[in-house]
Amino acid sequence: GENVEQHPSTLSVQEGDSAVIKCTYSDSASNYFPWYKQELGKRPQLIIDIRSNVGEKKDQRIAVTLNKTAKHFSLHITETQPEDSAVYFCAASDREYGNKLVFGAGTILRVKS
Amino acid sequence: EAQVTQNPRYLITVTGKKLTVTCSQNMNHEYMSWYRQDPGLGLRQIYYSMNVEVTDKGDVPEGYKVSRKEKRNFPLILESPSPNQTSLYFCASSLGPGGTEAFFGQGTRLTVV
Repeated sequence: GENVEQHPSTLSVQEGDSAVIKCTYSDSASNYFPWYKQELGKRPQLIIDIRSNVGEKKDQRIAVTLNKTAKHFSLHITETQPEDSAVYFCAASDREYGNKLVFGAGTILRVKS
Repeated sequence: EAQVTQNPRYLITVTGKKLTVTCSQNMNHEYMSWYRQDPGLGLRQIYYSMNVEVTDKGDVPEGYKVSRKEKRNFPLILESPSPNQTSLYFCASSLGPGGTEAFFGQGTRLTVV
């Protein structure tokens, strides 16, 4: 089955700087890669996703890139703001098990103002 | 309003006392799943259901049961809770298992003493 590794586990940046979180996956057949944001005490919510037929996707200050050859994908947040502080989870679909989502361990992002 | 509702939000119980955490969604989603969230381990799938009366084990099913008698409800049952089941639990629903957004409930913080 699929295995997803996420780095770093914690990330501190100054307000206005960029933040990058990276994930690697093991199953080359995986075709869907979402990113979820979980604010303190809240539920995870989808912020952006990408499919295997696309190399990059942007939505305002956030973007996701996918390198299928290297089997890794990254979340990029530009012009970070204090409200970006949260835990971010990447995930990949597991084709062997009905496309269920397999999540990374999460990254705690702290934006210092 | 489209939502996934879990109850209770917080629960403290004693070892061996059976408990049920309820989950209900109003989006007519076919796919529902339960996750547990532990520090440094991300979101791990416990059980999932593809549709009514169709359930299957996820990655960490030991000590848990589920049922799917109606499309909207997917309760999680702990027949004999143990302290290692102390965790934050999330129910989620989506149109399909992968490739579509997963909507999470508010979470249930369970403590087993």
